[in-house]
Amino acid sequence: GQQLNQSPQSMFIQEGEDVSMNCTSSSIFNTWLWYKQDPGEGPVLLIALYKAGELTSNGRLTAQFGITRKDSFLNISASIPSDVGIYFCAGSTPGGSYIPTFGRGTSLIVHP
Amino acid sequence: SQTIHQWPATLVQPVGSPLSLECTVEGTSNPNLYWYRQAAGRGLQLLFYSVGIGQISSEVPQNLSASRPQDRQFILSSKKLLLSDSGFYLCAWSGPGHRSYEQYFGPGTRLTVT
Repeated sequence: GQQLNQSPQSMFIQEGEDVSMNCTSSSIFNTWLWYKQDPGEGPVLLIALYKAGELTSNGRLTAQFGITRKDSFLNISASIPSDVGIYFCAGSTPGGSYIPTFGRGTSLIVHP
Repeated sequence: SQTIHQWPATLVQPVGSPLSLECTVEGTSNPNLYWYRQAAGRGLQLLFYSVGIGQISSEVPQNLSASRPQDRQFILSSKKLLLSDSGFYLCAWSGPGHRSYEQYFGPGTRLTVT
């Protein structure tokens, strides 16, 4: 099955810094999704990408669907303490049962 | 708008006891429904998914089972819990068409087996 490599595993940054994380796959995906999970809660969908090369923003968050269709990037600008959490990428291939493959997550800690 | 509910929020159960976790979705019809488990290591493990009433697909063989008695109700069960069943259980739904890839998660149930 498909495998997603999400990096970095953890990030410790100062408030105000920009953040960048990515996911790479051994397979071609036609959908990339980015989620954020706050401690003790369910993941929340941040951004969905459906076209290679697509660049989509949601506030201070920007995500890109890689041209090769095997990777995706999430950037957070001017981080704030409430950005703390685990960020997951997920990718899906066409057809089948609509089951995305999830990365193992990037844990983000923002120091005030 | 659509909402998803899970209960209970937390549960402490002894080894060998039965389990029933419930998930309901409001504001949509014929959703795809999913059960995930998240261990302390934070990865999301898909346990079951359902594309319709009475249709259940199992991803991982274990002592858990799932049922979908109604269109917007998804239940996770066990006859006898194991210590290894402890974890954070998440229910999710997705809609029709190409947006079926977009899953929306519930608040989760924290299960501790003692």
